[in-house]
Amino acid sequence: KAGVTQTPRYLIKTRGQQVTLSCSPISGHRSVSWYQQTPGQGLQFLFEYFSETQRNKGNFPGRFSGRQFSNSRSEMNVSTLELGDSALYLCASSADHSSTDTQYFGPGTRLTVL
Amino acid sequence: AQRVTQPEKLLSVFKGAPVELKCNYSYSGSPELFWYVQYSRQRLQLLLRHISRESIKGFTADLNKGETSFHLKKPFAQEEDSAMYYCALGRRGGGNKLTFGTGTQLKVEL
Repeated sequence: KAGVTQTPRYLIKTRGQQVTLSCSPISGHRSVSWYQQTPGQGLQFLFEYFSETQRNKGNFPGRFSGRQFSNSRSEMNVSTLELGDSALYLCASSADHSSTDTQYFGPGTRLTVL
Repeated sequence: AQRVTQPEKLLSVFKGAPVELKCNYSYSGSPELFWYVQYSRQRLQLLLRHISRESIKGFTADLNKGETSFHLKKPFAQEEDSAMYYCALGRRGGGNKLTFGTGTQLKVEL
């Protein structure tokens, strides 16, 4: 099976712009979670989508949003970008919405905000 | 609130020496504990989970609810064990939301 894919791999934006990141889960997986990784804060959970519904949400401002499509692909959007949004954004897919499921991570999208 | 503490940023051991990567957690409910590993230039991947009680690549981890710890151990370190290790906490029945520790870089020296 192909692994989790994320596009684009690298992105450079300026403050105030918005950005959309995409994640394609492993075939057959229905849950997609997003994480932000920074040197200062480490890995932080953004949100989880399952069956096109947001099931979990982390402590991020409303500028961060996401959605999931019927084919389980997911996108996350960040509006009004700030310098502090520069980070590696990881998505992870799992078969189901279960706390014991294995999460398979993608390679990440490196976002730089200038 | 959920919290995971990995006190060591870097742990350096010699090949063949025992390894113990520490992880303490704070959570009042029923925890699910995991160890994830990231080898150089590879993706983050699951190493093991407490519920499976298994040994993966010679690593084991026991959940100690009294001490709220989930330390990762291996009796004899190998060079290929050099990697970044993350302890992660989930909530039983709470879906796939994980709280990660800050990670420990394990360096196995020859």
